[in-house]
Amino acid sequence: AQSVTQPDIHITVSEGASLELRCNYSYGATPYLFWYVQSPGQGLQLLLKYFSGDTLVQGIKGFEAEFKRSQSSFNLRKPSVHWSDAAEYFCAVGARYGNKLVFGAGTILRVKS
Amino acid sequence: DTEVTQTPKHLVMGMTNKKSLKCEQHMGHRAMYWYKQKAKKPPELMFVYSYEKLSINESVPSRFSPECPNSSLLNLHLHALQPEDSALYLCASSRSEGAANEKLFFGSGTQLSVL
Repeated sequence: AQSVTQPDIHITVSEGASLELRCNYSYGATPYLFWYVQSPGQGLQLLLKYFSGDTLVQGIKGFEAEFKRSQSSFNLRKPSVHWSDAAEYFCAVGARYGNKLVFGAGTILRVKS
Repeated sequence: DTEVTQTPKHLVMGMTNKKSLKCEQHMGHRAMYWYKQKAKKPPELMFVYSYEKLSINESVPSRFSPECPNSSLLNLHLHALQPEDSALYLCASSRSEGAANEKLFFGSGTQLSVL
């Protein structure tokens, strides 16, 4: 079964600074990988996803993520953070066969002005 | 219309009450999901409906009873809940089930409190 680890529970960055949120997965083959964002009391919104091909994936709101097979990682990055990016970010992994998506524990991003 | 609509947004119920959560989408999606999210935790899958048939039940207690009356509607019937069932209940949909590369569209959830 697949699993995903987000090592950082909270991260605080200054507005305008760069951001990297870490995600490590465990799965026997190349998984489907996702990043979702959740604002307080809201549902989740897909930022980006990786299935195959180019390992650098572009998403919405200026986010990107890089799949590194050798490190079993799928870290989320943004070059310049805006105050509106403050939210909780979930990395998720899906198996190639079946439709169970497993979410990581989430990373809460705080942006200071 | 790219929305998944959930009602009510908030619900407070006693342990002897019966209530229902409702979810609706008009995107033509054929798979619908119920997730449970406890405070400060990730969403956990409860049920998946594919083409209006229950395809996944993640060993959820029988006090939660899902229903999919048609391809646009998904209900979650609640009966004799416990205080530990208090959580945000999220509905999601996707074009089809069977491929874990489907994008999930989430509703904003129902915040349930069981007293």
